[in-house]
Amino acid sequence: DAKTTQPPSMDCAEGRAANLPCNHSTISGNEYVYWYRQIHSQGPQYIIHGLKNNETNEMASLIITEDRKSSTLILPHATLRDTAVYYCIVRVAGNTGKLIFGQGTTLQVKP
Amino acid sequence: DAGVIQSPRHEVTEMGQEVTLRCKPISGHDYLFWYRQTMMRGLELLIYFNNNVPIDDSGMPEDRFSAKMPNASFSTLKIQPSEPRDSAVYFCASRLGGPSYNEQFFGPGTRLTVL
Repeated sequence: DAKTTQPPSMDCAEGRAANLPCNHSTISGNEYVYWYRQIHSQGPQYIIHGLKNNETNEMASLIITEDRKSSTLILPHATLRDTAVYYCIVRVAGNTGKLIFGQGTTLQVKP
Repeated sequence: DAGVIQSPRHEVTEMGQEVTLRCKPISGHDYLFWYRQTMMRGLELLIYFNNNVPIDDSGMPEDRFSAKMPNASFSTLKIQPSEPRDSAVYFCASRLGGPSYNEQFFGPGTRLTVL
């Protein structure tokens, strides 16, 4: 699975959009980009995933560059409850279940 | 659905003792995963099962660790004998199988402290 690079920490003002970048320059054509987050003392929670098209769900939007070497997770209106560690993971979809978590980005949403 | 259930939520034991962590996956899920999280090493996959069969245990740190899944609704992670360096939060997760990706659902974790 391709390696990802994320900034260790970011701040965001409450109510503003939080844009979390992820670099995955060695991504293969059949690898998806997945995002999970982990709120303090809880298990990780799935947010969104995509292959090459931009994706949106009730939690967030995922923007993947045309060359697929990087992506951005967007929380459109961050709240204090969005304070968490956000993990960007790249892997091949299918029945193999392994998720390899890096260090992630600690997002601090401030009032 | 109650989600993935783990027990106990907290465990404090002394070095050398046997520790058993338990997990009940979401009903109908084909895959079950055990992870360990520490400050130093982050979140690590220890082992995962598909239809109760261990598929990849390459993350199991050493022979002191063992995992079983006797049926589709129950799994255990055992550490014998336990050591202080085993202190961590242990998460269990489950997901559906199938040709397209299905998200993993994590339990609340078991915080293990080995004195």
